[in-house]
Amino acid sequence: QITLSESGPSLVRPTQTLTLTCSISGFSLSTYQVAVGWIRQPPGKALEWLALIYWNDEEHYSPSLKRRLTITRDASKNQVVLTMRNMDPLDTATYYCGHKGDESYFDYWGQGLLVTVTS
Amino acid sequence: ETFMTQSPATLSVSPGERVTLSCRASQSVDKHVAWYQQRLGQPPRVLIYGASKRATGVPARFSGSGSGTDFTLTISSLQSEDSAVYYCQQYIDWWTFGQGTKVEIK
Repeated sequence: QITLSESGPSLVRPTQTLTLTCSISGFSLSTYQVAVGWIRQPPGKALEWLALIYWNDEEHYSPSLKRRLTITRDASKNQVVLTMRNMDPLDTATYYCGHKGDESYFDYWGQGLLVTVTS
Repeated sequence: ETFMTQSPATLSVSPGERVTLSCRASQSVDKHVAWYQQRLGQPPRVLIYGASKRATGVPARFSGSGSGTDFTLTISSLQSEDSAVYYCQQYIDWWTFGQGTKVEIK
């Protein structure tokens, strides 16, 4: 079955770069039309889509965060990596990765990783 | 960017009652809307996609309707395990979520 799991630091300092890894199983990042995205959720607040990458390395970013984000995939390692530059306390959130289904909604989600930005 | 607005923010409902949640898109999204349930401390779980199609394993008491800009999620008979925050999401213009509706059990 499809599973996703986020990993990375739980604490980062302001201005630092955050690197998160999504490890996947049950599907291949090289399969036609497969895509994995990142979504975040500040404590007590709503979900916000950040970025998505397709099987062919096509990348898409939230317009409001585009300048700070990079998403990459490594099919041989079954991983998708998100980097977010110049972290701010307002970036404190649970970060999820999700599998984009055939109809473009996110049908499988990881458990999420809480990242706190504080000095 | 397409914005999604949900109402109400919070609902307090007795078990067995019917619940109706609303979601409005800032521009037409056809039927490209999904509804998610998020229980406390859990990731979101998709309930409805394509505005009205139930995802695998979702109980029949959950149903979705709408097209264009106005969408509804209905829980026909509320159960205690339905206590959660419910989000709508559009996926025709990138991906944006509503602010959520919290459903509490009386």
